[in-house]
Amino acid sequence: DIQLTQSPSFLSASVGDRVTITCRASQGISSYLAWYQQKPGKAPKLLIYAASTLQSGVPSRFSGSGSGTEFTLTISSLQPEDFATYYCQQLNSYVTWTFGQGTKVEIK
Amino acid sequence: EVQLVQSGAEVKKPGESLKISCKGSGYSFTSYWIGWVRQMPGKGLEWMGIIYPGDSDTRYSPSFQGQVTISADKSISTAYLQWSSLKASDTAMYYCVRECGGSSCAFAFDIWGQGTMVTVSS
Repeated sequence: DIQLTQSPSFLSASVGDRVTITCRASQGISSYLAWYQQKPGKAPKLLIYAASTLQSGVPSRFSGSGSGTEFTLTISSLQPEDFATYYCQQLNSYVTWTFGQGTKVEIK
Repeated sequence: EVQLVQSGAEVKKPGESLKISCKGSGYSFTSYWIGWVRQMPGKGLEWMGIIYPGDSDTRYSPSFQGQVTISADKSISTAYLQWSSLKASDTAMYYCVRECGGSSCAFAFDIWGQGTMVTVSS
């Protein structure tokens, strides 16, 4: 199966900072790449699908890009409610999936 | 409102069996795949497997094949995850998810249950 590696695994940032998280695949993959946000004690929430399409209701400060083996999630201006753990996820083949290991975003 | 509601927390002993549930509402339950995701304490998300309630087509991650069984009862819009013999290492939060389909959100998981915490301890 395809492996997804997120970097960094942990980042410390301030409110208002621009934050970028990278998700690298072990081999070229389709653009069926999604990003999720998980806050402590809560279920994950879908932010972005198809690499760059914002899920309904997600603030526009979140954006996604990339293709092939490298994808990025960007938060243009970090807000207090954005401190969370972020996961990328890829559809490997028909009806099987892989998650990245997660990136925890904490307050500096 | 589209939602998945999971059964409550469980505390079991090693070797015991368990079946947890996930009830869908607010949409056509038989038209979407329902999956299960494990999150061990302090760890990341792991996709376990998925079922299409319309015809019970089921797929498993190689890591979980043979370790768990996924099923569904479409008459009551409920999916299940079961173990025949629990181990301490099965201690985790388990989420059920709806896979939204290719045309809606490119096969991502758009709806998540609230999670079921399973604790296995002697």
